[in-house]
Amino acid sequence: GENVEQHPSTLSVQEGDSAVIKCTYSDSASNYFPWYKQELGKRPQLIIDIRSNVGEKKDQRIAVTLNKTAKHFSLHITETQPEDSAVYFCAASGGYGQNFVFGPGTRLSVLP
Amino acid sequence: NAGVTQTPKFRVLKTGQSMTLLCAQDMNHEYMYWYRQDPGMGLRLIHYSVGEGTTAKGEVPDGYNVSRLKKQNFLLGLESAAPSQTSVYFCASSPQPRLNEQYFGPGTRLTVT
Repeated sequence: GENVEQHPSTLSVQEGDSAVIKCTYSDSASNYFPWYKQELGKRPQLIIDIRSNVGEKKDQRIAVTLNKTAKHFSLHITETQPEDSAVYFCAASGGYGQNFVFGPGTRLSVLP
Repeated sequence: NAGVTQTPKFRVLKTGQSMTLLCAQDMNHEYMYWYRQDPGMGLRLIHYSVGEGTTAKGEVPDGYNVSRLKKQNFLLGLESAAPSQTSVYFCASSPQPRLNEQYFGPGTRLTVT
C-alpha cells in the first residue's frame, strides 16, 4: 500500500522567512496530493491541493510543487507570519482502491 | 450548514467499558471516515464508508466497529476500551473518494484509564 514520509518533523523560522516541507510517496498510481493545516486543538483544514496533471499550484503565500517522476511534493510558504504556526500534514490518494494516506506531520513555529 | 459534527467532545473511560462516538454531516456526502490521531503519527484511518449501509476496514480497525445506517451519520463503537485506544478521534466526509477534499469534524478526545 501507499506510504507517505514527511520532513522535517519540526521547523522553526523567523517571521518573514520562507518555510519548505517535503513529502515523498511510494505508490506511483497516487494522483491527488492535499496539504492540511492543523492549529492546536483544532481540526485539520485543507490549505492547498494538487493533482498529478499539474506540476505547481500557488495560492497567495502558499505554493505546492509536485515531481511525479521522483514521487515527491513540497509545500512552500513565503513571508511567514505567526499565524502560520501549526502542524502541517501532507497526504497522497487516488491509487486503485486507495484512501488518503497522511504523512506524520510537521510542526512549524514562526518566531517573531 | 453545520458541516461535520462529532459528539461527545471529550470522554474518559475505564478499561473494559464501551462507548459510541457519533459523527454527523449535513453536506449530503457519500463518503465518511474515522481517523485516530496520536502524537507524531499523523492521521490513521480506522474504518470508512462509501455509502449508506456500507462499511470497510482501514489501516487500524482492530478494537473498533462502525455502522452507517443513515447517510448523514457514521458511528464508531468501542466494545471493550483499552488504554491503547487513548487518542483524538476525527470523523471526516467527502463527496467523492480519494480525489477531493475531506472535511473534518472537531474531534473527540478519548482517554482510557
